[in-house]
Amino acid sequence: RKEVEQDPGPFNVPEGATVAFNCTYSNSASQSFFWYRQDCRKEPKLLMSVYSSGNEDGRFTAQLNRASQYISLLIRDSKLSDSATYLCVVTLYGQNFVFGPGTRLSVLP
Amino acid sequence: EPEVTQTPSHQVTQMGQEVILRCVPISNHLYFYWYRQILGQKVEFLVSFYNNEISEKSEIFDDQFSVERPDGSNFTLKIRSTKLEDSAMYFCASSAGTPFAFFGQGTRLTVV
Repeated sequence: RKEVEQDPGPFNVPEGATVAFNCTYSNSASQSFFWYRQDCRKEPKLLMSVYSSGNEDGRFTAQLNRASQYISLLIRDSKLSDSATYLCVVTLYGQNFVFGPGTRLSVLP
Repeated sequence: EPEVTQTPSHQVTQMGQEVILRCVPISNHLYFYWYRQILGQKVEFLVSFYNNEISEKSEIFDDQFSVERPDGSNFTLKIRSTKLEDSAMYFCASSAGTPFAFFGQGTRLTVV
């Protein structure tokens, strides 16, 4: 079983739509969880950390369910500039970051 | 805003040649990483470095790879004898010990 799995995508949505991405991880000892965003041929950039209590940053909401080993990202009122690949990232013991394969989002005009 | 910088942005090399990829991490960071991403594939961990030694490495990081922190600012990845399958984007990252890391813009390595 892969360490971090994500919806394969791509997700093609119209501007203004709400879109949700799912991620599961296999190692129950995982400690920290993040969503990164990667534009085509660019470096991953931190979008937000994910906490058990859930956290929100503007149009973005992230949730963590440790019991189910599941992480989600919700994007509301999507913009053209949200088009990117969204990477679910998990760490063990604060060290090695394990990346999921990413879910590509295309927001269409 | 402080950032991780990598040079060169693109390196073309012949198979069998040695390459050195360079990184300048964020100045007060203590943990350093190299990752690679083959085109169209996921980001893969290569190695982490702390306190002047390797703290963890993946099975990809075999004997042809090495890392160094030759001075107080640079962090390098050396590939001794490049293979075609080493063609990828190589990302350096650094962390202050907080759970998240900042990534450099990457070096695209093309082995021909």
